Amino acid sequence: ETGVTQSPTHLIKTRGQQVTLRCSSQSGHNTVSWYQQALGQGPQFIFQYYREEENGRGNFPPRFSGLQFPNYSSELNVNALELDDSALYLCASSQDRGRGQPQHFGDGTRLSIL
Amino acid sequence: GNSVTQMEGPVTLSEEAFLTINCTYTATGYPSLFWYVQYPGEGLQLLLKATKADDKGSNKGFEATYRKETTSFHLEKGSVQVSDSAVYFCALSSSDSNYQLIWGAGTKLIIKP
Repeated sequence: ETGVTQSPTHLIKTRGQQVTLRCSSQSGHNTVSWYQQALGQGPQFIFQYYREEENGRGNFPPRFSGLQFPNYSSELNVNALELDDSALYLCASSQDRGRGQPQHFGDGTRLSIL
Repeated sequence: GNSVTQMEGPVTLSEEAFLTINCTYTATGYPSLFWYVQYPGEGLQLLLKATKADDKGSNKGFEATYRKETTSFHLEKGSVQVSDSAVYFCALSSSDSNYQLIWGAGTKLIIKP
């Protein structure tokens, strides 16, 4: 069973640029959630995709957007990057968005904004 | 709204000591409760879970019991090892928050040999 994989592992960008982060969900999982984790803090929910549709969004501006593909892999796009966007971005997949389903995380993409 | 409160860290213990990390929650309805662990430089790993009152989740010597009467899900381990050093996160998932994971702030655990 292949776990959740994210790419790239590290990325350096400058303010104002755009970035796309990628996530392959665990086999059999149809739900993907994205989180932002600043250094020394807990994860903050960005949004969730279930069967290719957005299924909930946290308190992030519209310049954070996403996609889920028919194979349930997902992308996180961030436009007009700001210094505060520097963080670890985590993707998690689950079998269903339903109650009690644990989310399985990738190792994350470390994004640094200069 | 729903929330999770964890004891502040860091928690520093000697090897083979008993561990408790407190977690309490606020939620309407019947949330599912989780403990995740994050080792240095890595992503989050599910440690254990419980989906209803009085359920006990266990894994790798860690245990936590879903206590609805005290709205708690404290993490315990009888004898910690240096390799248990990590950050531990308590989280909940509930239908009224669309099953998003609501996280505690995390508790850093340091085990000294």
